Amino acid sequence: EAQVTQNPRYLITVTGKKLTVTCSQNMNHEYMSWYRQDPGLGLRQIYYSMNVEVTDKGDVPEGYKVSRKEKRNFPLILESPSPNQTSLYFCASKREGQETQYFGPGTRLLVL
Amino acid sequence: RKEVEQDPGPFNVPEGATVAFNCTYSNSASQSFFWYRQDCRKEPKLLMSVYSSGNEDGRFTAQLNRASQYISLLIRDSKLSDSATYLCVVNPRPMNYGGSQGNLIFGKGTKLSVKP
Repeated sequence: EAQVTQNPRYLITVTGKKLTVTCSQNMNHEYMSWYRQDPGLGLRQIYYSMNVEVTDKGDVPEGYKVSRKEKRNFPLILESPSPNQTSLYFCASKREGQETQYFGPGTRLLVL
Repeated sequence: RKEVEQDPGPFNVPEGATVAFNCTYSNSASQSFFWYRQDCRKEPKLLMSVYSSGNEDGRFTAQLNRASQYISLLIRDSKLSDSATYLCVVNPRPMNYGGSQGNLIFGKGTKLSVKP
């Protein structure tokens, strides 16, 4: 089944404790992206990647890092999480040259 | 002017009603337009793309007015299962732009609740 998976789905952590949210897609898509969704603000892009070893900042990259060492994986790293990073995070992917983005199921993060 | 702006909602309608959502975008060079549907606590899913000529998919009709920078979604004969948040989405760059051509701009969404 073609899909985007994220892990963990739910996470409660404390300020300053490094964490990684994994994202994997099995559709051989070139493009991958991370979004966060907050009430009243909608979906905002954090980082994106056009292909392996090619990443760039989205609209709200502060406090986040990403890597794209393999085509299928695009982990989101929070080196020192803070409470303002409490949010619902979505990973998405799409094929180059096509419009439709496929989203993962989301990761709910609470930073205390 | 916000990049993508939608009706504030929520829309509470009875089953069988016709409901219309509107959306405006600020970047006149925007190339592609979409409606995504998002169920509560779930991921967004593409509902339909929006073309200049307008397009229809069953009970759903999408329209684009480039001159007014306006997009609409019409749902006829509403079903209980249509209850969701509808996101207006714009791709401000052409597909052959390279670089950030996949970076979508999302509206905040309009919540629809269809009641029996």
